[in-house]
Amino acid sequence: DSGVTQTPKHLITATGQRVTLRCSPRSGDLSVYWYQQSLDQGLQFLIQYYNGEERAKGNILERFSAQQFPDLHSELNLSSLELGDSALYFCASSVEAGRETQYFGPGTRLLVL
Amino acid sequence: DAKTTQPPSMDCAEGRAANLPCNHSTISGNEYVYWYRQIHSQGPQYIIHGLKNNETNEMASLIITEDRKSSTLILPHATLRDTAVYYCIVTDFNKFYFGSGTKLNVKP
Repeated sequence: DSGVTQTPKHLITATGQRVTLRCSPRSGDLSVYWYQQSLDQGLQFLIQYYNGEERAKGNILERFSAQQFPDLHSELNLSSLELGDSALYFCASSVEAGRETQYFGPGTRLLVL
Repeated sequence: DAKTTQPPSMDCAEGRAANLPCNHSTISGNEYVYWYRQIHSQGPQYIIHGLKNNETNEMASLIITEDRKSSTLILPHATLRDTAVYYCIVTDFNKFYFGSGTKLNVKP
């Protein structure tokens, strides 16, 4: 158990819909990262937040957005969902935003029908 | 975007050492080598990391060549529970790029 929690574990929705995935980092961690893992692709870095502010951006679509709240939990919002958005979404956290090891949560499995 | 090359799969007998290689010939001086593993579809699990010296912890050992262009992760006594995809990552901590990894099959 890494100490990172993610909800929900599973999510089934329809194309065109919007969903929100939630992540609570390890106690004391200030930085949160979001990753997407599709069946035919490896883990893709989406975005990083540090202490409430966006720190780095990866391959995140414009339909996706994220934020980190004052209590340091983070939410990933996915809108206008497409079939291809079906994937595992992982959150990771680290103490700082610099040279720190990332610890991953158990993930949210999203299925878009 | 991945800066590493790993064999797609490897087999290892239970109880034997598993040596997983990784090539990172374009690594720069401030980049670390990290290893994670992913069992089934669980969240990736941190194993070990290093900059230029060899490292050891309770899970594994990391051997980095002197020129830092390659490294080897060693699981000293593999068990069936070590069956997983192992990812070698080179990072300057701005982003972590996960490649395809090595699927390690530990066999009885």
